[in-house]
Amino acid sequence: AQSVTQLGSHVSVSEGALVLLRCNYSSSVPPYLFWYVQYPNQGLQLLLKYTSAATLVKGINGFEAEFKKSETSFHLTKPSAHMSDAAEYFCAVGRGYNKLIFGAGTRLAVHP
Amino acid sequence: DTGVSQDPRHKITKRGQNVTFRCDPISEHNRLYWYRQTLGQGPEFLTYFQNEAQLEKSRLLSDRFSAERPKGSFSTLEIQRTEQGDSAMYLCASSSQDRSQETQYFGPGTRLLVL
Repeated sequence: AQSVTQLGSHVSVSEGALVLLRCNYSSSVPPYLFWYVQYPNQGLQLLLKYTSAATLVKGINGFEAEFKKSETSFHLTKPSAHMSDAAEYFCAVGRGYNKLIFGAGTRLAVHP
Repeated sequence: DTGVSQDPRHKITKRGQNVTFRCDPISEHNRLYWYRQTLGQGPEFLTYFQNEAQLEKSRLLSDRFSAERPKGSFSTLEIQRTEQGDSAMYLCASSSQDRSQETQYFGPGTRLLVL
């Protein structure tokens, strides 16, 4: 069975500050992990994915995530937050050709 | 590549009515997925198709729900005798048969409100 836990349903940062969104997973098989972003009243857009290659994954809009097997974590970071980063972020585990299991999401607020 | 499209974007209905949603995947994708997202939650898997074959259904998909993909292209999701608990965003996604791609692309969703 697979599951995802996102710590912190709401995160607030200042513009220009570090963004850190936490994701821990549970999986009985080597996991594939994904981060998606959702803007209000829109679908999900893929930010980045880990598929057993490099453990540090770079995505769009300056985001990156590091797969740490020992900690069962896949935290999302961005060095400097921008106002346009305000959105909801979802971590997911699974295979892209099979069902994905999503976390409950973290809403990121960016204030001036 | 026009992306995944869904119709309608919004639907308001009265309890007990039937509703049908449509999803058009990215043209070369043979896998199509339906998810449901309630307020403040992440998407939950409902079902998926490979071409016209429905390969898996979640326990969330009660017998009031039916999904089809008759020609392996677009898909429909029908909810019969809607209940207020069916109010949610219904998301469709598609992916390539190339397993090396490993990515599901999502549509904008259909937001359902049952009064």
